[in-house]
Amino acid sequence: DTGVSQNPRHKITKRGQNVTFRCDPISEHNRLYWYRQTLGQGPEFLTYFQNEAQLEKSRLLSDRFSAERPKGSFSTLEIQRTEQGDSAMYLCASSLGRGGTDTQYFGPGTRLTVL
Amino acid sequence: AQTVTQSQPEMSVQEAETVTLSCTYDTSESDYYLFWYKQPPSRQMILVIRQEAYKQQNATENRFSVNFQKAAKSFSLKISDSQLGDAAMYFCAHQGGSEKLVFGKGTKLTVNP
Repeated sequence: DTGVSQNPRHKITKRGQNVTFRCDPISEHNRLYWYRQTLGQGPEFLTYFQNEAQLEKSRLLSDRFSAERPKGSFSTLEIQRTEQGDSAMYLCASSLGRGGTDTQYFGPGTRLTVL
Repeated sequence: AQTVTQSQPEMSVQEAETVTLSCTYDTSESDYYLFWYKQPPSRQMILVIRQEAYKQQNATENRFSVNFQKAAKSFSLKISDSQLGDAAMYFCAHQGGSEKLVFGKGTKLTVNP
């Protein structure tokens, strides 16, 4: 069990460009979550998946954001036409999703800087 | 909507001493979970301790313990025998019927040698 992994760890892009991040959850974890964390703030929920189904999306997730989990394993988060306000740490977490105290385990995050 | 408030942006403690971090929350749900996560500088967030709201007994994990006051909607974290490695941002979080975590803004803990 290698934990939740995220790639890339850092991404610098110019305003208007598209970016895609990848998250690999802990194996056998059915749920996968995306959060965004800006400087000095706690993480804010973006969306989550139960297997391949996207079950909830935050209003923070504008039309420029799209997330997928095509085979219920890894997930991608794409941001189209990036804006400077998108600069943040994007965190992925996974959990078993089988009831009880469903603790979420976090990855190291992808730090996005939009110039 | 759930909210989580951490009223202490920064705290400091001497090595080997005890420190308590405060957290209050607001929820209309009766069944929920509360968590404390630790985020060291430039490192990933890790779980410190969790508490099920239906349990009256306060959770403990080695040097970490909580004081859960359900009626007051308070969930403080006590760190005993503080170590240099405890220095980090600490986030309180609530999880209700929706699976998402709602976080506070965090408390930066400094441990002085």
